[in-house]
Amino acid sequence: NAGVTQTPKFRILKIGQSMTLQCTQDMNHNYMYWYRQDPGMGLKLIYYSVGAGITDKGEVPNGYNVSRSTTEDFPLRLELAAPSQTSVYFCASSYKRAVSGANVLTFGAGSRLTVL
Amino acid sequence: DQQVKQNSPSLSVQEGRISILNCDYTNSMFDYFLWYKKYPAEGPTFLISISSIKDKNEDGRFTVFLNKSAKHLSLHIVPSQPGDSAVYFCAASEEYGNKLVFGAGTILRVKS
Repeated sequence: NAGVTQTPKFRILKIGQSMTLQCTQDMNHNYMYWYRQDPGMGLKLIYYSVGAGITDKGEVPNGYNVSRSTTEDFPLRLELAAPSQTSVYFCASSYKRAVSGANVLTFGAGSRLTVL
Repeated sequence: DQQVKQNSPSLSVQEGRISILNCDYTNSMFDYFLWYKKYPAEGPTFLISISSIKDKNEDGRFTVFLNKSAKHLSLHIVPSQPGDSAVYFCAASEEYGNKLVFGAGTILRVKS
């Protein structure tokens, strides 16, 4: 029962490089999210998806791209990495019915990215 | 525009005493409020939630209180234990919302 798995756990990038953070969940959750955590700033939503083939921007989408071709996977792509993208990235998922109710997210362990 | 605010960056409490973590919000459309706990090098884990139609929800040592008119909620931990030392995030969402909005977090240290 793995839950939400993120890879890699750590990565150092040079300015201008590109990379993909992988996220997969085995709970058959329909919703998936990418957040970033900066010191003292809490968690900021980058992108989210309510199902395969559907993605939408969050608060801080600039410099990132996502895709959702399957229910299980939600990779986050960084193009032309910049020092401002140095952060800890968390992938999360949830099962939300199309009715009102608390949306309880399950988080992965995080990916720490440093851009130098 | 911070819609969810946790104004205390840190809190230190003696083991066995009560820990009270506070959270304020500005968006009157928020209907659900959640608390998450985060240990270093781990992802946040869900702790407890409350709907706006309630003013209190209890789960063991953890109780969340909601004052909707003041747009304020608090998490009480009684009694506090050293294993409770972590970062606590307050989060909120609208009734049919897809997204959780998080506060900046409060570092709780429980001293033995």
